Amino acid sequence: DAMVIQNPRYQVTQFGKPVTLSCSQTLNHNVMYWYQQKSSQAPKLLFHYYDKDFNNEADTPDNFQSRRPNTSFCFLDIRSPGLGDAAMYLCATSRSTPYEQYFGPGTRLTVT
Amino acid sequence: KNEVEQSPQNLTAQEGEFITINCSYSVGISALHWLQQHPGGGIVSLFMLSSGKKKHGRLIATINIQEKHSSLHITASHPRDSAVYICAVRGYGGSQGNLIFGKGTKLSVKP
Repeated sequence: DAMVIQNPRYQVTQFGKPVTLSCSQTLNHNVMYWYQQKSSQAPKLLFHYYDKDFNNEADTPDNFQSRRPNTSFCFLDIRSPGLGDAAMYLCATSRSTPYEQYFGPGTRLTVT
Repeated sequence: KNEVEQSPQNLTAQEGEFITINCSYSVGISALHWLQQHPGGGIVSLFMLSSGKKKHGRLIATINIQEKHSSLHITASHPRDSAVYICAVRGYGGSQGNLIFGKGTKLSVKP
């Protein structure tokens, strides 16, 4: 089945230790999104790729970076995680139109 | 005021009851999404609507563009329907792919 896969599902990292979260898709969608969702809050868009074009949200901290080496894969790098970065990180994909987004299962990040 | 408002915030129902969750929005939209999130889990897209009504199994979603309002109905509710239901709208123009999320409705269905 075509799907959005996120690895790992659970990640524990230490304060200040760089961490990378992975997303892959078999849908051949050209748009990929990264969201941060903190407890009991709505998801917050961090950035998205439209093909290879990177689009950063204005309020996304510089601590968060992303890479998209090819259509199928997208990575979220947190350079120096703080305690406030503990959250669920959701990857989503869509076609250019009609923009229906398909979400992955998420990676729950714990910062100790 | 939030651009997307959902009601109620919390809902408890008995198994078998008919459930309605409402979503109102204040911006022009190109589509509205209903999403489901189980505790500690990822998000599943239930419906994407730009007009009218859609049905999938026991779930029905309607939208009234003129009134800027959408409803999600669950018929014959079941404990496995317990989840957070999120309304999200998609705008126009350069941010067309970006979703504006409601705060969600937490549904608990008791056996």
